[in-house]
Amino acid sequence: NAGVTQTPKFRVLKTGQSMTLLCAQDMNHEYMYWYRQDPGMGLRLIHYSVGEGTTAKGEVPDGYNVSRLKKQNFLLGLESAAPSQTSVYFCASSRQGSDGYTFGSGTRLTVV
Amino acid sequence: EDQVTQSPEALRLQEGESSSLNCSYTVSGLRGLFWYRQDPGKGPEFLFTLYSAGEEKEKERLKATLTKKESFLHITAPKPEDSATYLCAVQAPSGNTPLVFGKGTRLSVIA
Repeated sequence: NAGVTQTPKFRVLKTGQSMTLLCAQDMNHEYMYWYRQDPGMGLRLIHYSVGEGTTAKGEVPDGYNVSRLKKQNFLLGLESAAPSQTSVYFCASSRQGSDGYTFGSGTRLTVV
Repeated sequence: EDQVTQSPEALRLQEGESSSLNCSYTVSGLRGLFWYRQDPGKGPEFLFTLYSAGEEKEKERLKATLTKKESFLHITAPKPEDSATYLCAVQAPSGNTPLVFGKGTRLSVIA
C-alpha cells in the first residue's frame, strides 16, 4: 500500500518555465489537497478537491492551476514559474473532509 | 480569519525531561483539532484528532489535550527519536473546510 505518491521529488526550473506536479493516492480517498511549505510560514493551502472533477481555491492559489480528472490523481500546474514559487510542495488526501490527512513525501521545487 | 499559533517555535530537551507544546486557536466553532509529526525531508504524519474541550488522546509518550481556546501536546520522558517538528491544525465547522496549520514547534531531544 503506497499511500500518497508525489512525483517528481526534486525539480529545478528556470523563471517562466512550466511544469506539472503529480499526486497519486491508492486509498480511494475522496478529498485531495495541495499545500506549500516555506520556512517560517508553515503549511499553506494552494488548492483542494472534494471529489473527482471538482477543485477549489485555497489560501494561496495565484500562479497555480489544478485538475482532478481521476479520483486517484490530483495534478498541480505552474504555467509560468516565478522565484517566489520556490518551495516544498505537499499533497495530501483524506477519506472524508473531517478525517486526518495522509501526506506524500513532498516535491522540492527551486525556480531560478 | 482562522488563526493557529504554536509555541514555542523551538524546544530543546534533555532525554527524560518532560514538557508541553502549546497550540492556541481562534477558529469559530471548532470542528476538530489535529496534531501531526514531521521529520526532516518528509511529509507530516498524523498523530491525533481532538473534537471537544476536555478530550484527551494518548500515544506512547505523547498525550494531547484540548480546551476551548488551546491544545497541549504533553511529552513524557522524551527520547531522542521524539525529535521532530510537531504541527497543529484546526478545522472550522464545515466538514469540507480544509485544515489550517500552525507554523509548528521544532523539538530536539538530546541524549
